[in-house]
Amino acid sequence: KQEVTQIPAALSVPEGENLVLNCSFTDSAIYNLQWFRQDPGKGLTSLLLIQSSQREQTSGRLNASLDKSSGRSTLYIAASQPGDSATYLCAVRGYQGGSEKLVFGKGTKLTVNP
Amino acid sequence: DGGITQSPKYLFRKEGQNVTLSCEQNLNHDAMYWYRQDPGQGLRLIYYSQIVNDFQKGDIAEGYSVSREKKESFPLTVTSAQKNPTAFYLCASSIRDYNSPLHFGNGTRLTVT
Repeated sequence: KQEVTQIPAALSVPEGENLVLNCSFTDSAIYNLQWFRQDPGKGLTSLLLIQSSQREQTSGRLNASLDKSSGRSTLYIAASQPGDSATYLCAVRGYQGGSEKLVFGKGTKLTVNP
Repeated sequence: DGGITQSPKYLFRKEGQNVTLSCEQNLNHDAMYWYRQDPGQGLRLIYYSQIVNDFQKGDIAEGYSVSREKKESFPLTVTSAQKNPTAFYLCASSIRDYNSPLHFGNGTRLTVT
């Protein structure tokens, strides 16, 4: 059974710092990994999707990497801003128990202090 | 603007009552999903539908029901059989390609007392 872990559960950094969020998964047979952002009381916003054949994806100040063999992904945020404060979730899509499944981690709550 | 609309944002019900949460999308997506989010837990899949008039149970379907009569709409009914219905409910949609990203609505917070 696929399990997705995000450590740490919470992270606080000063504005301007570069930071890395971690995501690990137990079954490397995945189709893709997706990073989301969730603001308090809101839905999830898709940030980046990395297909299993890809090593990384970039969007603006965000860079996500994927190492399938070690079951790890990182989300790098450059020059963090207070507006980046949110909970970041990763999710892996794979085939389990006869159906395609998307398994979510519990998220890392990021606070960027001005 | 294309997107997913969930209504209402907040919903309060008495124990023993059924309640229906609305989810509408104008993204022309075939696949739609319902997730439940509880504090300190990851999102858990309740039901999903890959095409009109067809839907499948997710990991925690007991006490819930859905319908998919139109491509744009995927309402979720929380029945009185659901033991712990108070939660944040999220609807999502995507095209029918496992490498397509999920798009989420803004959620409905249901409180049952």
